[in-house]
Amino acid sequence: KNEVEQSPQNLTAQEGEFITINCSYSVGISALHWLQQHPGGGIVSLFMLSSGKKKHGRLIATINIQEKHSSLHITASHPRDSAVYICAVRSENRDDKIIFGKGTRLHILP
Amino acid sequence: DAGITQSPRHKVTETGTPVTLRCHQTENHRYMYWYRQDPGHGLRLIHYSYGVKDTDKGEVSDGYSVSRSKTEDFLLTLESATSSQTSVYFCAITPTGTAPGFNEQFFGPGTRLTVL
Repeated sequence: KNEVEQSPQNLTAQEGEFITINCSYSVGISALHWLQQHPGGGIVSLFMLSSGKKKHGRLIATINIQEKHSSLHITASHPRDSAVYICAVRSENRDDKIIFGKGTRLHILP
Repeated sequence: DAGITQSPRHKVTETGTPVTLRCHQTENHRYMYWYRQDPGHGLRLIHYSYGVKDTDKGEVSDGYSVSRSKTEDFLLTLESATSSQTSVYFCAITPTGTAPGFNEQFFGPGTRLTVL
């Protein structure tokens, strides 16, 4: 079983819809990182979380440490949000290494 | 933008040939990483460096070596490339001075390597 699981693997939605991407992990962590990978391949950091919630524009990230779960929400989605969203955790149990999820591919239709 | 460049951006080579990928950063960051990204897998750590001449293996280090003789350059070498090393390779840095345990990573643009 992967230590970081993302769901769904693929998501297609209409422009304007509220999007939720989930990340569950099985290891103790010191922080969780949400990344965005554009169709051209570049990877951009979105949020770094250790507790609670963070908001940037239309993006909101939450984390529940007790439940070992994080969500990334996109409000008023737009075709330019189409990308792969990657969850990564910094493990307390593996020499502080970063463990990546396989990503969620999001496609927003105009 | 953390000032990270990778070269080359694309490379096609033949099995058995040596290949060196370069990661260059301009902001004197101490920590640098090499990852590979393949379909069906998350990013996987190949090697990382905590400073000049201070490197260590990641989870998929077999067939790869690294060198860091200067702070700004982290080189990844495939001594004898194999088809299984066809992948997209990303370099990343952790900004110096961030608190331990909260280190955010910033990625280079990637190198697409094809081994025929």
